[in-house]
Amino acid sequence: EAQVTQNPRYLITVTGKKLTVTCSQNMNHEYMSWYRQDPGLGLRQIYYSMNVEVTDKGDVPEGYKVSRKEKRNFPLILESPSPNQTSLYFCASSGPGANVLTFGAGSRLTVL
Amino acid sequence: AQTVTQSQPEMSVQEAETVTLSCTYDTSESDYYLFWYKQPPSRQMILVIRQEAYKQQNATENRFSVNFQKAAKSFSLKISDSQLGDAAMYFCAYRSPTSYDKVIFGPGTSLSVIP
Repeated sequence: EAQVTQNPRYLITVTGKKLTVTCSQNMNHEYMSWYRQDPGLGLRQIYYSMNVEVTDKGDVPEGYKVSRKEKRNFPLILESPSPNQTSLYFCASSGPGANVLTFGAGSRLTVL
Repeated sequence: AQTVTQSQPEMSVQEAETVTLSCTYDTSESDYYLFWYKQPPSRQMILVIRQEAYKQQNATENRFSVNFQKAAKSFSLKISDSQLGDAAMYFCAYRSPTSYDKVIFGPGTSLSVIP
């Protein structure tokens, strides 16, 4: 089944404790992206990647890192999480010439 | 920069009735893509319908249809014969073929369906 898989789905952590949210897609998509969803703000782009080793900032990149060493994986790294990073996170991908995003199931992160 | 606005934070509809969700956007481009995504309580983002700006014909998918007014930069979603399973958050989104990296989402409209 074609899908985008995110893990963990739920995570409660404390301020300053590094964490990684993994994202993997099995559709050979070139484009991958991370979003955060907050009430009243919709989804805002954090980082995106157009291909392996090609990443760039979205609208809200502060406090986040990403890497794209393999085409299928695009992890989101919070080096020192803070409470304002408490949010619902989505990974998404799309293929060449395709304009529709396929989303993962979302990861609910709480930073205490 | 492109923006997407959804002016109705919440809406409700009686089961079996029709409801229209509004979306407006701002862009200087002539070619682009527009989408409606549905997010039910499960939180999964599900594509409802998409529209290519160069197509004048409004897109339809079963009970879902859009009213695309390019000059007015309006992209409303009409849900006919509303069902309980239509209750969800609905997001309007814009994607540019030239700035392909960007997908701009509106703030969302929460739709309730009353039995």
